Amino acid sequence: GAGVSQSPSNKVTEKGKDVELRCDPISGHTALYWYRQSLGQGLEFLIYFQGNSAPDKSGLPSDRFSAERTGGSVSTLTIQRTQQEDSAVYLCASSLEGVQAKNIQYFGAGTRLSVL
Amino acid sequence: GNSVTQMEGPVTLSEEAFLTINCTYTATGYPSLFWYVQYPGEGLQLLLKATKADDKGSNKGFEATYRKETTSFHLEKGSVQVSDSAVYFCALTSNTGFQKLVFGTGTRLLVSP
Repeated sequence: GAGVSQSPSNKVTEKGKDVELRCDPISGHTALYWYRQSLGQGLEFLIYFQGNSAPDKSGLPSDRFSAERTGGSVSTLTIQRTQQEDSAVYLCASSLEGVQAKNIQYFGAGTRLSVL
Repeated sequence: GNSVTQMEGPVTLSEEAFLTINCTYTATGYPSLFWYVQYPGEGLQLLLKATKADDKGSNKGFEATYRKETTSFHLEKGSVQVSDSAVYFCALTSNTGFQKLVFGTGTRLLVSP
């Protein structure tokens, strides 16, 4: 597609359930990023993929969070045993490469997760 | 570590007023600097960027100059419009290693007719 696509756009879940969030980057973009936007923490980095590998997972807040990327394209962010503090907007971005300063990150519209 | 500080909002202006949103940063080396904008109900969009000291980024009437001596990247626009109402985020990436964005807290701009 023309831009970064994320699904679902909204997700409501019960505390303790697992959720999967999907990101479809711009075709040809090798770098993919997940960020989280929450009221208390602002916009924070979660994980970075270059191709299918994740050289930087430093932002994942706990071991309940994991992510994978397959075929150098689609990525899935999984949150296990969701907690109320996981409620946030999860943003995905992609860029042509991850290590060139001039590469611009293009963002999807995000998935709004609400944990009841 | 790297960090970005921007002025708290909301900033409330009348149409055609002059806008300044302050942004300062802390980083090692020479980061790249960005302003992203988030319109209501939409995703983040890059507004402008600067990759080295004294560079001026500009787009849609907005400007920001990379000032290394004051570690600042203030956003300005000479005459705002109602359609500029949005949340503005200042951000940086390191020029070494992977290009994860470090964001400021965002500043909401409200422009009234």
